[in-house]
Amino acid sequence: GQQLNQSPQSMFIQEGEDVSMNCTSSSIFNTWLWYKQDPGEGPVLLIALYKAGELTSNGRLTAQFGITRKDSFLNISASIPSDVGIYFCAGARGSQGNLIFGKGTKLSVKP
Amino acid sequence: EAGVVQSPRYKIIEKKQPVAFWCNPISGHNTLYWYRQNLGQGPELLIRYENEEAVDDSQLPKDRFSAERLKGVDSTLKIQPAELGDSAVYLCASSKTGRSYEQYFGPGTRLTVT
Repeated sequence: GQQLNQSPQSMFIQEGEDVSMNCTSSSIFNTWLWYKQDPGEGPVLLIALYKAGELTSNGRLTAQFGITRKDSFLNISASIPSDVGIYFCAGARGSQGNLIFGKGTKLSVKP
Repeated sequence: EAGVVQSPRYKIIEKKQPVAFWCNPISGHNTLYWYRQNLGQGPELLIRYENEEAVDDSQLPKDRFSAERLKGVDSTLKIQPAELGDSAVYLCASSKTGRSYEQYFGPGTRLTVT
């Protein structure tokens, strides 16, 4: 099935660093969401975006709904060890609520 | 408030055997979803229920997969017979009516078909 393009696929962080990741699509979405998944658990909703250009924060996390409606960005400021995990973007087009997920960005701690 | 409950958490079966997964959504959530997540991929929707009605099962492989939500609360997803390619994590999610973008996921059932 169709999936969104997330980048980077993986990244290493050092505590205190800021992190940026993005999600792109060839088609328009009306809603963008960001989820985090820890090993052995289901995804947990972090941020939901409903309007093009919208910028929303949740603690140290900030996400933006791209003005073209074809992309979204997630930033994590001052990363901490518990930020490691896999971050998924998800998009939805209509009012049916069916989500299309990206392949995820895996965040790991620098050795 | 209890989250989405799924069981079993892990299941190992031989190919051609049947298997069933159970999900109990968050109380008050009328919409229930079953997703399949392959290794290294994001979740992909299999079926969506509004109360007891399956409103979108377009991605459910109906030759071997079936699902039910008889009383509009808990749900069962079945595979019969299982194939090697069915090995994946099966996730259940739920949401409130009218807030279907804000889905809450259970921990999933990791299925291994040998």
